[in-house]
Amino acid sequence: GDSVTQTEGPVTVSESESLIINCTYSATSIAYPNLFWYVRYPGEGLQLLLKVITAGQKGSSRGFEATYNKETTSFHLQKASVQESDSAVYYCALGETNSAGNKLTFGIGTRVLVRP
Amino acid sequence: NTKITQSPRYLILGRANKSLECEQHLGHNAMYWYKQSAEKPPELMFLYNLKQLIRNETVPSRFIPECPDSSKLLLHISAVDPEDSAVYFCASSPYTISNERLFFGHGTKLSVL
Repeated sequence: GDSVTQTEGPVTVSESESLIINCTYSATSIAYPNLFWYVRYPGEGLQLLLKVITAGQKGSSRGFEATYNKETTSFHLQKASVQESDSAVYYCALGETNSAGNKLTFGIGTRVLVRP
Repeated sequence: NTKITQSPRYLILGRANKSLECEQHLGHNAMYWYKQSAEKPPELMFLYNLKQLIRNETVPSRFIPECPDSSKLLLHISAVDPEDSAVYFCASSPYTISNERLFFGHGTKLSVL
């Protein structure tokens, strides 16, 4: 089946430092899956951070960027300068659809702690 | 995100029957149940589209979903097992295509004694 592997947390960084969370995927049910980053801030539900549905394209949101690389099957999340408000759990996910409807396959999540 | 509400937020059970509830106020056609056990990623359990169950992952038969109308989703659990301890997330999306953004509720944390 499909699977997503991402950086194990927790990852601790200081404010204004850069952050990278690695994500690689294996898609057996679809050649070019849609790729997502979801985030869960403390006390809140999962919400979409960014998505990319075309290989080779880059998505960005709230200063975060991720590029869909089909050669390396990767979708790493990066931010040049983090803020304390970026402390959250980040999930990489792969989206596919079959005749039974769509499904997101998530990675295990990476907890990020940003020190002031 | 107050547009998808789940109840209860916390649930502690012995071997009892209970139902989790979800309601979305977004006018979406698709509704989902995801389960997240400790140290695991969220995993799809069920998907409804326009009140029809269209995706049913391998889930024990003690979990019975119900979609009484297009904005509500229920998850009935009978004779819970300790392995059912997890956070159960409800989600919705406008349609059931793979590039859709899902909107999630806060989740119900189920603890089985």
